[in-house]
Amino acid sequence: QVQLVQSGAEVKKPGASVKVSCKTSGYTFTIYDINWVRQATGQGLEWMGRMNPNNGDTAYAQKFQGRVTMTRNTSISTAYMELSSLRSEDTAVYYCARDGSYYRFDPWGQGTLVTVSS
Amino acid sequence: DIQMTQSPSSLSASVGDRVTITCQASQDISNYLNWYQQKPGKAPKFLIYDASNLQTGVPSRFSGSGSGTDFTFTISSLQPEDIATYYCQQYFNLPVTFGGGTKVEMK
Repeated sequence: QVQLVQSGAEVKKPGASVKVSCKTSGYTFTIYDINWVRQATGQGLEWMGRMNPNNGDTAYAQKFQGRVTMTRNTSISTAYMELSSLRSEDTAVYYCARDGSYYRFDPWGQGTLVTVSS
Repeated sequence: DIQMTQSPSSLSASVGDRVTITCQASQDISNYLNWYQQKPGKAPKFLIYDASNLQTGVPSRFSGSGSGTDFTFTISSLQPEDIATYYCQQYFNLPVTFGGGTKVEMK
C-alpha cells in the first residue's frame, strides 16, 4: 500500500535550519507531486508548497519564499523539506502528503514535530 | 490569498444525529474544494474531492455539496468514530488554503 514515512522529531535553536525527510513506498515516486503542510499545536493546516519529483519543479507559498527548499532523491523515493532561519513561530508538526491530482492530498505522512526553542 | 471560513468552529452532537458544517470562500472557487478529517494526534485523512465526490472507501454517511463560494459538509448519522476535526481546502488558486476547522464532539 502507499505509505509516506517521515523522519523523527527535531529540536532546533532560533536561526538554525531543519531538514525533514519523507520516504515513500507502494507507488512510482516520480508520478505524483509531494506537498508539505504544517500545523502549529492546536491550530489549523497551512500549505507550504509542492514539488514535482520527476523534474524537481517547485511552487512555494509566498509566506515561505526564501526560507523553504523542497528537494528529492529519486533513487530512494524520498522527498525533503528544508526550512531555514527558524523562529519560535515555526514550531509545528510538518506533514508531507502525496498529491493524487488537483491537490487531493492522500495519503499523508505521520508528521514530524519541529520545536524551535532557545 | 483565498480565505476559507468554516462554521461552526466546534459542535456537539449525539450518535445518530445529522451534522452539518459550512465552508465559505472569499471568492468564487467553482467546485475546487476538498474535505479532510483529522483525529487527535493523527494526520488528516482525505474524504471528499471537487466539493461532492466521495473518495473511495469513505463511508456513504459523509457527503458534500456546493459551488461558487458556499459549501456544505454533512454526516448523515454521526458515529462515535467520526469524532474529529474537519477541514475544507480550496485549490482554485495557489496558495492552497484551508478553513480553520470544525471540531465535532460527542454529546
